[in-house]
Amino acid sequence: EAQVTQNPRYLITVTGKKLTVTCSQNMNHEYMSWYRQDPGLGLRQIYYSMNVEVTDKGDVPEGYKVSRKEKRNFPLILESPSPNQTSLYFCASSSTGGVTGELFFGEGSRLTVL
Amino acid sequence: KQEVTQIPAALSVPEGENLVLNCSFTDSAIYNLQWFRQDPGKGLTSLLLIQSSQREQTSGRLNASLDKSSGRSTLYIAASQPGDSATYLCAANNYGQNFVFGPGTRLSVLP
Repeated sequence: EAQVTQNPRYLITVTGKKLTVTCSQNMNHEYMSWYRQDPGLGLRQIYYSMNVEVTDKGDVPEGYKVSRKEKRNFPLILESPSPNQTSLYFCASSSTGGVTGELFFGEGSRLTVL
Repeated sequence: KQEVTQIPAALSVPEGENLVLNCSFTDSAIYNLQWFRQDPGKGLTSLLLIQSSQREQTSGRLNASLDKSSGRSTLYIAASQPGDSATYLCAANNYGQNFVFGPGTRLSVLP
């Protein structure tokens, strides 16, 4: 089954404790992206990657890091989480070739930083 | 910079009604436009994808249209059901894989 898988789905942590949210897709997609969703602010892009070893900042990259060492994986790293990073996070992927470009989303990861 | 808006922000209708959700975008140089459904606290489910060369797409009771020249897309839901209650988001895919989302329309279909 074609899917985007995020882990963990739920996480409560404390300020300053490094964490990683993993994202994996099995559709051989070149494009992957991270979003955060907050009430009243909608979906905002954090980082995206057009292919392996190619990453770029989205609208709200501060406090986040990403890496794209393999095509299928795109982890989101919070080096020193702060309470304002409490949010619902989504990973998404898409093909860049052909005429599709359909965006597929993971189930989301709800992060609480105390 | 692309901006996407959606009207109305919220909509409440009785079961069985046909309804239209609107999505507007400021930059017509889009690759495609996609409609999603999101249930509370859940992920986004893709409903329909319209390529820039297409005028509309249909899936069951859903029909989405695209008018690039006017910067508009509409999602038509026929014979609405309580199970259609959710937030509906549109996203414009600009060249370069820059997906810009609208704020969503929260739909409630009353039994």
